[in-house]
Amino acid sequence: EDQVTQSPEALRLQEGESSSLNCSYTVSGLRGLFWYRQDPGKGPEFLFTLYSAGEEKEKERLKATLTKKESFLHITAPKPEDSATYLCAVQANSNTGKLIFGQGTTLQVKP
Amino acid sequence: DTAVSQTPKYLVTQMGNDKSIKCEQNLGHDTMYWYKQDSKKFLKIMFSYNNKELIINETVPNRFSPKSPDKAHLNLHINSLELGDSAVYFCASSHSGAGNTIYFGEGSWLTVV
Repeated sequence: EDQVTQSPEALRLQEGESSSLNCSYTVSGLRGLFWYRQDPGKGPEFLFTLYSAGEEKEKERLKATLTKKESFLHITAPKPEDSATYLCAVQANSNTGKLIFGQGTTLQVKP
Repeated sequence: DTAVSQTPKYLVTQMGNDKSIKCEQNLGHDTMYWYKQDSKKFLKIMFSYNNKELIINETVPNRFSPKSPDKAHLNLHINSLELGDSAVYFCASSHSGAGNTIYFGEGSWLTVV
């Protein structure tokens, strides 16, 4: 069964304190691994898609990496505005486009 | 300018009522989805339509009935609402095919009392 597990569930950082969020997955043929950011009261906002092991993508203070079993979202020198819930999702080898989500990591960055 | 818009944003209703949530996308996508987010923020797919044809129907009670009048619209009708239906419902859309980015709406907060 396709499954996504994120850790930790919650993370508190001081402004400027770099860290990483983990997304472990099992899927029958990975077509894509997606990272989303969700602010309270809002819908998930797309950040990255990774397609194959070894791929990396960056956006401002965020960098996503992918292996055959997991993905990491590295946050470098975070700011309070990076506080949000970060969601990881996988898309299996089918044409339905269905995303299977993890439970998310809620990040709080204190000034 | 809104890409995926859904209405209403908030809905409070009594048990047993019937309600609808509407969704529209202006991204030119041919595939639309309904996802449900529970109190633990876990997002799970409910339905998916491609060119008005149902392609995903997860284990959802028959009280939930999606309708897609055209590629840009996907509505969700819920009959005989139950307390357990309280959740946030997200509409989303994408181009068809795996690997394409799925864009989400802002969500509809449903509370059944």
